[in-house]
Amino acid sequence: NAGVTQTPKFRILKIGQSMTLQCTQDMNHNYMYWYRQDPGMGLKLIYYSVGAGITDKGEVPNGYNVSRSTTEDFPLRLELAAPSQTSVYFCASSEGRPTYNEQFFGPGTRLTVL
Amino acid sequence: GENVEQHPSTLSVQEGDSAVIKCTYSDSASNYFPWYKQELGKRPQLIIDIRSNVGEKKDQRIAVTLNKTAKHFSLHITETQPEDSAVYFCAGDSNYQLIWGAGTKLIIKP
Repeated sequence: NAGVTQTPKFRILKIGQSMTLQCTQDMNHNYMYWYRQDPGMGLKLIYYSVGAGITDKGEVPNGYNVSRSTTEDFPLRLELAAPSQTSVYFCASSEGRPTYNEQFFGPGTRLTVL
Repeated sequence: GENVEQHPSTLSVQEGDSAVIKCTYSDSASNYFPWYKQELGKRPQLIIDIRSNVGEKKDQRIAVTLNKTAKHFSLHITETQPEDSAVYFCAGDSNYQLIWGAGTKLIIKP
């Protein structure tokens, strides 16, 4: 099993550009998450999904959108990129509720907005 | 909502000594407290977790203690080794999400 995979690994965007961060898991997990990690900070939840077709906002959803059309894929869309979105983005998944189940993380995407 | 505070932000210990990282939380309804380790440039990985019906849990050189009355929990690493160097994150559950501490950078001095 590949676990959780993310693409791209690195990306530089200009202010105002858009992009989609891809996330795929092959563990048949229902729950998936997108986090951002800023230097010296913990993980902040952007969006999460409890199953195909169901998504909800986390702590810091502004400037992002998600969709979940399949169990495996959970892409994160950035519209009109801003310097404040410079961060490392992690996708994660869990078999069940995050309150009792291990979260498995992808390798991360390092995004710089200039 | 839940707020998780983690201390210290950086901890430097001599190889072979013990390390203790502490977290406090605000939501008295929280029941699940995991600890994740993130090595430099890598993804976070779960190393140990504890649920509110347990006061202490051990796994070889690592242990976690929980004091629900005081709303704090701690990670203990004994006989530290170079491979313990990493950033450690605590978290607490709230409203079906995990709220994360800011992390502790653990440095093991040879």
